[in-house]
Amino acid sequence: SAVISQKPSRDICQRGTSLTIQCQVDSQVTMMFWYRQQPGQSLTLIATANQGSEATYESGFVIDKFPISRPNLTFSTLTVSNMSPEDSSIYLCSVPSGDTEAFFGQGTRLTVV
Amino acid sequence: SQKIEQNSEALNIQEGKTATLTCNYTNYSPAYLQWYRQDPGRGPVFLLLIRENEKEKRKERLKVTFDTTLKQSLFHITASQPADSATYLCALDLSDSWGKLQFGAGTQVVVTP
Repeated sequence: SAVISQKPSRDICQRGTSLTIQCQVDSQVTMMFWYRQQPGQSLTLIATANQGSEATYESGFVIDKFPISRPNLTFSTLTVSNMSPEDSSIYLCSVPSGDTEAFFGQGTRLTVV
Repeated sequence: SQKIEQNSEALNIQEGKTATLTCNYTNYSPAYLQWYRQDPGRGPVFLLLIRENEKEKRKERLKVTFDTTLKQSLFHITASQPADSATYLCALDLSDSWGKLQFGAGTQVVVTP
């Protein structure tokens, strides 16, 4: 199993500012994933964070808006840049485990005012 | 693109009864399907994985079936308890990389004593 710690757990931010979310895993993992969960909706994959290479973004998400760092095999950050109220969501990081399941952090609840 | 549908209406059920949730998908042939539980303010927690060559999987009071012809999975909670109240998400692999998942919107289950 994997234990994932996300920081901050929640934040209220002014529009136009940026927030960096941290994800720390208690073991080394090759891939980490970042998801967004908008209010009342399901999870949508933002990008895959690979150690030692650029993140891979899903359709509709771009690096300028959601820059990702992956400095080592246990840590990643997601930045939400130039925020607008539409960015108000829960952001979650996830790591796969073997061939059975994915583990998720507790999420970061972001409110943009 | 693939589409995953889950009942959007909450399922209200009396304690001790069996809750049955449906997950339908289109335009896709997943290698496996997963079910997760999500409590308010928390990240999803893995429950069960069923592979394309498996018809049924059980874990304690949970049972999952997978019909690749119908493109449907059923999730059963038997002898339901108030503690089972949560939102249940089904997820399919995005196949190009382990751990990348596409989620349904989830079905909320409310178990009343």
